[in-house]
Amino acid sequence: KNQVEQSPQSLIILEGKNCTLQCNYTVSPFSNLRWYKQDTGRGPVSLTIMTFSENTKSNGRYTATLDADTKQSSLHITASQLSDSASYICVVRASNAGGTSYGKLTFGQGTILTVHP
Amino acid sequence: NAGVTQTPKFQVLKTGQSMTLQCAQDMNHEYMSWYRQDPGMGLRLIHYSVGAGITDQGEVPNGYNVSRSTTEDFPLRLLSAAPSQTSVYFCASSYSLTADNYGYTFGSGTRLTVV
Repeated sequence: KNQVEQSPQSLIILEGKNCTLQCNYTVSPFSNLRWYKQDTGRGPVSLTIMTFSENTKSNGRYTATLDADTKQSSLHITASQLSDSASYICVVRASNAGGTSYGKLTFGQGTILTVHP
Repeated sequence: NAGVTQTPKFQVLKTGQSMTLQCAQDMNHEYMSWYRQDPGMGLRLIHYSVGAGITDQGEVPNGYNVSRSTTEDFPLRLLSAAPSQTSVYFCASSYSLTADNYGYTFGSGTRLTVV
């Protein structure tokens, strides 16, 4: 069964500090991995999309890494801001090269990040 | 602003009532989908559509119906609401289901409570 597990479930940090969120997955065959940010009461917004061949991708203060061999990804947030308080969701897409998992997305349960002043 | 628009934002239903959650996108996306988000769980796919007139079931379709008569609209119908359908519902669209690297655009959600 395709699964995406995120850790920690929740995290509290002080403004200006860095943090790293983890994502482990068992989705196969793998197509890409996405990180989304979801503010309270809003829909998820895409931060990065990484394919099999990409090890690192940055979007401002957000840097995602992918190790397709160990099926792990991380999202590193640098110099955190109060506006970074949100849920961060790891999403893995199965390959659409035939089979029943045609383009299917598997969502992690999210990591709730709280940034305190 | 271009994007995915969901209405209503909040809704309270009595058990057994029916209703339709509306979703519209103005990006000419061919792929649209409905998810539900429950506490402590990842988003789960209810139904999806790869184009006007084409719909299919996701992983939790029971109790929900969809139709897609136009590219822009993808309403979700609750036939007979049950307390287990209390959730936050998100509509999402994408340019293509087959192109791997296209991101999804999500609406802002509908918070539904069934009493």
